Amino acid sequence: AQRVTQPEKLLSVFKGAPVELKCNYSYSGSPELFWYVQYSRQRLQLLLRHISRESIKGFTADLNKGETSFHLKKPFAQEEDSAMYYCALSPLIIQGAQKLVFGQGTRLTINP
Amino acid sequence: DVKVTQSSRYLVKRTGEKVFLECVQDMDHENMFWYRQDPGLGLRLIYFSYDVKMKEKGDIPEGYSVSREKKERFSLILESASTNQTSMYLCASSDGTGLGPLYEQYFGPGTRLTVT
Repeated sequence: AQRVTQPEKLLSVFKGAPVELKCNYSYSGSPELFWYVQYSRQRLQLLLRHISRESIKGFTADLNKGETSFHLKKPFAQEEDSAMYYCALSPLIIQGAQKLVFGQGTRLTINP
Repeated sequence: DVKVTQSSRYLVKRTGEKVFLECVQDMDHENMFWYRQDPGLGLRLIYFSYDVKMKEKGDIPEGYSVSREKKERFSLILESASTNQTSMYLCASSDGTGLGPLYEQYFGPGTRLTVT
């Protein structure tokens, strides 16, 4: 069975400090992994995907197949990073429909 | 710009009522999804559809059904609402052709349903 685990429900750091949101997954195949973000009063949106190897808003995430992890990192947190973050795994494609399995979410708060 | 709209932001229904949640997308996407979002549980997939009149069960389909009669519209139906279906419901759509951004899902604003 596919599973995504985000061990921290809440994470609070000070502005300018490094941030790491943890994500571990369980999947027997080759996963596609994503981070989605939901800012206050906004809709859920894609932040980044591992296959693109991109940095968005200063965030990066590296897929570690040995540790089955996809942690989200940013070296210097900003107040506008406060949001709910979801890690997601795509285990299945049916006729082009990429199903997503989400973790429980981590609420990140950046303190001034 | 992708737009996914949901018929209501807030809905209050009584136990036993039949409830319809509507979702419309304007990007000609093949795929549409319904999730429920609960604190501490994240998003859980209820149903999805990859084509008109086609549907697939997600992880928690019990107590729900769906309808996709037109490509742009995907309806979630609670046949007999119960209090444990009180939740935030999110609709999403994605391109199924492989030509768009790698299957990115675009979400609606959500419907907060309260069943009393």
